[in-house]
Amino acid sequence: DTEVTQTPKHLVMGMTNKKSLKCEQHMGHRAMYWYKQKAKKPPELMFVYSYEKLSINESVPSRFSPECPNSSLLNLHLHALQPEDSALYLCASSQDYTGELFFGEGSRLTVL
Amino acid sequence: GEDVEQSLFLSVREGDSSVINCTYTDSSSTYLYWYKQEPGAGLQLLTYIFSNMDMKQDQRLTVLLNKKDKHLSLRIADTQTGDSAIYFCAEGYNQGGKLIFGQGTELSVKP
Repeated sequence: DTEVTQTPKHLVMGMTNKKSLKCEQHMGHRAMYWYKQKAKKPPELMFVYSYEKLSINESVPSRFSPECPNSSLLNLHLHALQPEDSALYLCASSQDYTGELFFGEGSRLTVL
Repeated sequence: GEDVEQSLFLSVREGDSSVINCTYTDSSSTYLYWYKQEPGAGLQLLTYIFSNMDMKQDQRLTVLLNKKDKHLSLRIADTQTGDSAIYFCAEGYNQGGKLIFGQGTELSVKP
């Protein structure tokens, strides 16, 4: 299994909603990542988990809250988002810190 | 500082070779990557090269690295319409797990 699986593929939410994005990999990778991508722009790193511990937070607003329940799962909890948070949210994993990232297909988020 | 630059667009005819260029500024990067993104999809790792290598070939793909000029290129031989996508180069490091992406080059392949 060489896939990174993200759910849901599409999400529409209001500014007062609470929702979560989920990511799963079964490649035994010990680093997992959340990236945000606007249309036709490069991905921007949000968070990095290494061995289930948060190792990088790229000054992301607190309305985004990551969680790594175990080495295979990564969640991104969303609360009180703004319309400008609408984007494609990509999850990725890598064996370690070498940077060979495997990306999921992304969750496309629309905030109304 | 960290900065990776690419030209935004490239248009080629089917069967021709495509060359996508990338320049970077941080000489401490350890790995350099090429990712492909088709519309509505995630990023697919195409190939990567260690910073102590000059060239890597993988089927239709050839990566050239000029460390002196901090210039990376991706050559796609016999380009097909299925190669139409956005191609991102990225630099990575031994520690930190962080990739610095270029702006992406949109490749359009005309029949």
